[in-house]
Amino acid sequence: EAGVTQFPSHSVIEKGQTVTLRCDPISGHDNLYWYRRVMGKEIKFLLHFVKESKQDESGMPNNRFLAERTGGTYSTLKVQPAELEDSGVYFCASSPPFPGQAPTEAFFGQGTRLTVV
Amino acid sequence: AQSVTQLDSQVPVFEEAPVELRCNYSSSVSVYLFWYVQYPNQGLQLLLKYLSGSTLVKGINGFEAEFNKSQTSFHLRKPSVHISDTAEYFCAVSPLRNTDKLIFGTGTRLQVFP
Repeated sequence: EAGVTQFPSHSVIEKGQTVTLRCDPISGHDNLYWYRRVMGKEIKFLLHFVKESKQDESGMPNNRFLAERTGGTYSTLKVQPAELEDSGVYFCASSPPFPGQAPTEAFFGQGTRLTVV
Repeated sequence: AQSVTQLDSQVPVFEEAPVELRCNYSSSVSVYLFWYVQYPNQGLQLLLKYLSGSTLVKGINGFEAEFNKSQTSFHLRKPSVHISDTAEYFCAVSPLRNTDKLIFGTGTRLQVFP
């Protein structure tokens, strides 16, 4: 079975341009998360989808970031316009529904390394 | 709010030596605890997790961790490391009542030398 897949693996764009990152979760996983790691810092939560609904988007940095999950399948994270501080590695993760509030394992993709120059 | 501290950014060690990667957390509520590993050019992979019960948790690849509530620590240990253990290790917590996100530490890069 395929794991969590992210596209592209690397992206280099100029400040002011737009970039769209894509995440394909594991089939059947209702929960989809986006995280970001800025160089040398911790991996930070951005947002959480349950199917197509945004459950928690408290970690989104600002309104230049837009996440969607149409039909509850794959998700996209668009940055428009990109700024230098948006550089980092963007991770996507997915997990099956939580039975009785016990956390299940979150499976992570390889990440997209975004460089804004 | 929760936070996770991994004091050691890098840990060099020789093959077959024991290793301990330290993790301390701060939280006003009870949390679940996790260790993830990222091998070069791969995604994060779950090593082990503590949800409840025995405070000594065994994970994959011979790793184990011990939850110490009084010291708010969850240190990761392996009695004898291999070259293949070279990777970055992340400690994370998730609040019991909000299991939908992980709060990570800054990571510890383990470098195993022959």
